[in-house]
Amino acid sequence: TQLLEQSPQFLSIQEGENLTVYCNSSSVFSSLQWYRQEPGEGPVLLVTVVTGGEVKKLKRLTFQFGDARKDSSLHITAAQPGDTGLYLCAGARSGGYQKVTFGTGTKLQVIP
Amino acid sequence: NAGVTQTPKFRILKIGQSMTLQCTQDMNHNYMYWYRQDPGMGLKLIYYSVGAGITDKGEVPNGYNVSRSTTEDFPLRLELAAPSQTSVYFCASTASGSFTYNEQFFGPGTRLTVL
Repeated sequence: TQLLEQSPQFLSIQEGENLTVYCNSSSVFSSLQWYRQEPGEGPVLLVTVVTGGEVKKLKRLTFQFGDARKDSSLHITAAQPGDTGLYLCAGARSGGYQKVTFGTGTKLQVIP
Repeated sequence: NAGVTQTPKFRILKIGQSMTLQCTQDMNHNYMYWYRQDPGMGLKLIYYSVGAGITDKGEVPNGYNVSRSTTEDFPLRLELAAPSQTSVYFCASTASGSFTYNEQFFGPGTRLTVL
């Protein structure tokens, strides 16, 4: 079983602060996705990164795929209460959804 | 479009009871998936289907069964409920099986408690 460990597990910050969430594995992934999940809802895809070293930006969110494609990070600048939720990373080795491994999740709370 | 819908939203079962979790998508997606989400454990794939009439086991299939008679519907059956099946269940769909180039759409989930 490939493991995707996310850290921190929980994060509570004030509005306007910056934060970084990490997703680490000992396995190499062909691509990796980040999702956000709000209470009572299913996960929603934020981004997919494919190339080692790739950086993608989505407004105040910056996603990076590690050079060796074993890890990824999500950085949020000037966090807003609307960023509150559970952040999940997910990686695939063969490219098919049946081979996807989900991370353990990071629960973020942004306090106004 | 409603996307992926799941019923019921909540259910409490007694040990040994059976139930079917319903999942329907209106996006004409070929691929559908059932996951369970346990606290601190991420999502684990139970079963998936690549089209009507075709299903296959995921990582944690024991205690569950599925069928796919139409493109739209992918029900999950629990035959003899056990406390270990207490979890939140998510159904999802994609247009094809490519993880890299297809977004996975999730339903709102079913919260199941087995007592």
